[in-house]
Parts: sequence; C-alpha cells; structure tokens
Amino acid sequence: DQQVKQNSPSLSVQEGRISILNCDYTNSMFDYFLWYKKYPAEGPTFLISISSIKDKNEDGRFTVFLNKSAKHLSLHIVPSQPGDSAVYFCAAKAIGFQKLVFGTGTRLLVSP
Amino acid sequence: ETGVTQTPRHLVMGMTNKKSLKCEQHLGHNAMYWYKQSAKKPLELMFVYSLEERVENNSVPSRFSPECPNSSHLFLHLHTLQPEDSALYLCASSQDLDTGGDEKLFFGSGTQLSVL
Repeated sequence: DQQVKQNSPSLSVQEGRISILNCDYTNSMFDYFLWYKKYPAEGPTFLISISSIKDKNEDGRFTVFLNKSAKHLSLHIVPSQPGDSAVYFCAAKAIGFQKLVFGTGTRLLVSP
Repeated sequence: ETGVTQTPRHLVMGMTNKKSLKCEQHLGHNAMYWYKQSAKKPLELMFVYSLEERVENNSVPSRFSPECPNSSHLFLHLHTLQPEDSALYLCASSQDLDTGGDEKLFFGSGTQLSVL
C-alpha cells in the first residue's frame, strides 16, 4: 500500500508556463515533505521541502504548497524552463524516523 | 571527487554470481543509505547506517548483505540474486540521521543492475 502517491506519471508544459506537480499521502504521521529532482543517469537531488507547520515554502521559481486537511501537496514551477525537464519525486517522513517514503515520480517535459 | 560516488554504473550478473556494489561519499556525512528503485515503483529504503552501525534493515532478503567499514564507504554484497532483483540501486548519505525532519539526502548516480 503506497503511502505517498504521485498519480500523474508524466506532465508536458510549454516553456514559460506554470508546471504543477501533485502528490497525495495517506499517513497522518508524516510531518515533513520533500521534493527531489532526477535527471537521466544521475541520482535524485534535493529541490525543496516543507514542514507540516507551514502551508507554503518558496525558493526562487519553485514553490511547494501543503494542504494537511486534504493530505495533498503540490510543487509549482514558474516560469518553467527546458532545463526543468526531469523526474520529480515527492517524499515524506515523520520526525524521529529515518525512513523517507517516496512516490513513484512524475516525469516533467518542458518544451521550448 | 565530490559528492557521492557509486561503482560500477552498470552491472550484469548471473544468478549464481557474487558481486559487490561500492559507494563512497566525500561530504563528511555520518549516515549512509541503500535504496532500490524498480521500474514504476517508488524508491525503497533497504539499509541505513549511522557512524558505521546498521540502524535499519527494511526486511531485505539475506542475498543482499551490506557492509560499512567506515563512515565514508558503503558496500552492498550480492549473491544468488533473482531476476526480479534487477533494478537501480542508489546510495545516499546525510549529515546525520534525521531527527528534526530536515535532513537532506545526497544521492549517488546509482548502479543499474541486471540479473540474468
């Protein structure tokens, strides 16, 4: 049973537009959420995170929104650039536990 | 060298072979991890080491045997694997074990393993 779900395996967006990647979770014990980005032939790299005490965290073009009541988070990329084309993984964890639970990833393609 | 380095990048082995995956981190981190990524499945945590001590073994079959001789090196010894073990094996490190929630993982590029 997947505790972190990314229901869209892929997303295509035009350069300059907004990319919205979604993630749902089922475990109410999760209180920290992260997004990782993965290019082909490379390992995932940390992108942005959010604590459950916040509902928004922004870092440049990347913003993560958390809706705890809906157990839903989203990553917004504005404006999208071709270099953003990658697989994006949502991950969640509970404080005090080592285990980071990942989703299956969403492949983003940003076309010029 | 910087970051987390994994060798080999690709490995093809038969079910009766014995091989080892190697991971080295140059970040001065105290915790290291092995993850498995199978096609269309989430990354699965296999093992966690903190200061060379194993702190988590996520119900991994004994045909996978980890070794952490020091805080910079991590190995995954493989023997009598099955074709369903074919996957991308990722090593990661973090400064310490996550206690506060914001401990970030730094991943290597992975070893793509094929078991014939």
